[in-house]
Amino acid sequence: DVKVTQSSRYLVKRTGEKVFLECVQDMDHENMFWYRQDPGLGLRLIYFSYDVKMKEKGDIPEGYSVSREKKERFSLILESASTNQTSMYLCASSPPARGQPQHFGDGTRLSIL
Amino acid sequence: AQTVTQSQPEMSVQEAETVTLSCTYDTSESDYYLFWYKQPPSRQMILVIRQEAYKQQNATENRFSVNFQKAAKSFSLKISDSQLGDAAMYFCAYRGQGGSEKLVFGKGMKLTVNP
Repeated sequence: DVKVTQSSRYLVKRTGEKVFLECVQDMDHENMFWYRQDPGLGLRLIYFSYDVKMKEKGDIPEGYSVSREKKERFSLILESASTNQTSMYLCASSPPARGQPQHFGDGTRLSIL
Repeated sequence: AQTVTQSQPEMSVQEAETVTLSCTYDTSESDYYLFWYKQPPSRQMILVIRQEAYKQQNATENRFSVNFQKAAKSFSLKISDSQLGDAAMYFCAYRGQGGSEKLVFGKGMKLTVNP
């Protein structure tokens, strides 16, 4: 089974802090994704990556950046955390074959105080 | 841009009965993929079922089946013999025919299963 591991289940940070959310997958997937999940809004794509050092903006990239130095690891960075970034963050990965399902981590519930 | 609409934010069903979750999408593409994902409370999002648009046959996975109406751009999920473990948020998602594997998700629907 594919395992996507997110470093923290719950995280509390302060406004203005630089926040790192880490995601590791163990299936050698090329594609990795970061989503934000808010009640009533579903999942919204922040950034995705289809290869090491490659990244593309999703629908809501403002205030975020990403890093993919190794194939198995995809990091989401909040450069200067703000209260409106309080949310559930989900990481996912998928193989390169077209139309394959994405595999999700357990999510990180991030609170910015 | 493609959009996915789940018009019912919540539904409930009695254990052992059948329930249908609706999903519609808007696209001008002809070749795409559709997915239903399930997210149990405080648990991981998992794939329920996947449909390829060029396949006429509706996908089925055990108690889960879809009614895919391409012309109507409708992709509903039927859960038969509902179980307490089916209680979850359900998300419909669309993957277009471009080179990117990114998904467009609906807003989700909360399913409650009553004993």
